[in-house]
Amino acid sequence: TQLLEQSPQFLSIQEGENLTVYCNSSSVFSSLQWYRQEPGEGPVLLVTVVTGGEVKKLKRLTFQFGDARKDSSLHITAAQTGDTGLYLCAGTGQGAQKLVFGQGTRLTINP
Amino acid sequence: GAVVSQHPSRVICKSGTSVKIECRSLDFQATTMFWYRQFPKQSLMLMATSNEGSKATYEQGVEKDKFLINHASLTLSTLTVTSAHPEDSSFYICSASKTGFEGGYTFGSGTRLTVV
Repeated sequence: TQLLEQSPQFLSIQEGENLTVYCNSSSVFSSLQWYRQEPGEGPVLLVTVVTGGEVKKLKRLTFQFGDARKDSSLHITAAQTGDTGLYLCAGTGQGAQKLVFGQGTRLTINP
Repeated sequence: GAVVSQHPSRVICKSGTSVKIECRSLDFQATTMFWYRQFPKQSLMLMATSNEGSKATYEQGVEKDKFLINHASLTLSTLTVTSAHPEDSSFYICSASKTGFEGGYTFGSGTRLTVV
């Protein structure tokens, strides 16, 4: 079974600060995705990374896929209160369709 | 796009009754859909993979007789929670995979099931 260890699980910081969320595994993933979920709703895809070493930017969010495709990170610059939410990493193994989720990071940005 | 509609969004049922949750892919065909369960303040746990025209594949520890999955068409999968009990109360989410869509997975908006 492929497992994704996401850290930290809870993070509370002040508006304007930077933060990084990590997603690690001992397994290789063919792709890794980051989602954001609001209470009472389904997850919404932020980004997919598929190539080892890949870096993608989405406004103030920077996503990185490790060279060995076993880990990923999400970095938020100058966090805003609107960034508050549950962030989930998820990956698909090689040849597998199903998506395995990390434990999630509950992010709170305080004004 | 790739839109997945899930219905109902909320349901309250009495203990011992059955509840059906529908998951529809609105603008694409999905040969495979996935059902997840999410407990409060926790991540999504995969329950089963629903395959159109064949039996669902359940994850270890998920009772197939308790959570019946039917994927009768390329746009619809249903999850029926049979003889529901309070411990089945949870947030259930479906997702579908669209070939060629960035990331491939779109999620429904979830169903909050409360068994009283």
